[in-house]
Amino acid sequence: KNQVEQSPQSLIILEGKNCTLQCNYTVSPFSNLRWYKQDTGRGPVSLTIMTFSENTKSNGRYTATLDADTKQSSLHITASQLSDSASYICVVSDRGSTLGRLYFGRGTQLTVWP
Amino acid sequence: EADIYQTPRYLVIGTGKKITLECSQTMGHDKMYWYQQDPGMELHLIHYSYGVNSTEKGDLSSESTVSRIRTEHFPLTLESARPSHTSQYLCASRKISSGSSTDTQYFGPGTRLTVL
Repeated sequence: KNQVEQSPQSLIILEGKNCTLQCNYTVSPFSNLRWYKQDTGRGPVSLTIMTFSENTKSNGRYTATLDADTKQSSLHITASQLSDSASYICVVSDRGSTLGRLYFGRGTQLTVWP
Repeated sequence: EADIYQTPRYLVIGTGKKITLECSQTMGHDKMYWYQQDPGMELHLIHYSYGVNSTEKGDLSSESTVSRIRTEHFPLTLESARPSHTSQYLCASRKISSGSSTDTQYFGPGTRLTVL
């Protein structure tokens, strides 16, 4: 069964600290993995997207890694800011169909305290 | 900034009312989607479309219906709203170019629906 599991479910850190969010998936055949940031009451916004051949991608203070062999990804946030408080969603796409179906994790709720 | 719009952003209505949630995008994307999301939960696909006159049901059974008469417009309709329909509804469009690295999905801001 194709699944995407994220951990931790929630995380609280102090402003300025770093953190790492985890994503494990069983989606096959794999096409790409993306990380989204979703502010409360808003639609998700794409942070990074990685294909099978990419093992790291950065977007400002966000750095995503991908290990396609172990089917794991992480999102590292450096020098956190209050505005980083949001849900971070891992999404994996398969390539078993024309649509390229997306599988969503439940997200990690990050709270940054001053 | 994604050019995908949803209206209304918030809607509170009584049971039995007919409602239409609007979604439009100006990026010319063929593929469009509707997701339902409850607080703290993952997104569930309820409808999708490959293009004009193409609509399919998603993974989560939904009493809503959709139409795709124009590329840029993908409205969702509930004929008779019930409290169980209370949720957030997110519309998205997607562009897939040659090479998976240019597979980009854009989400609208969502409609928060409350049925009393």
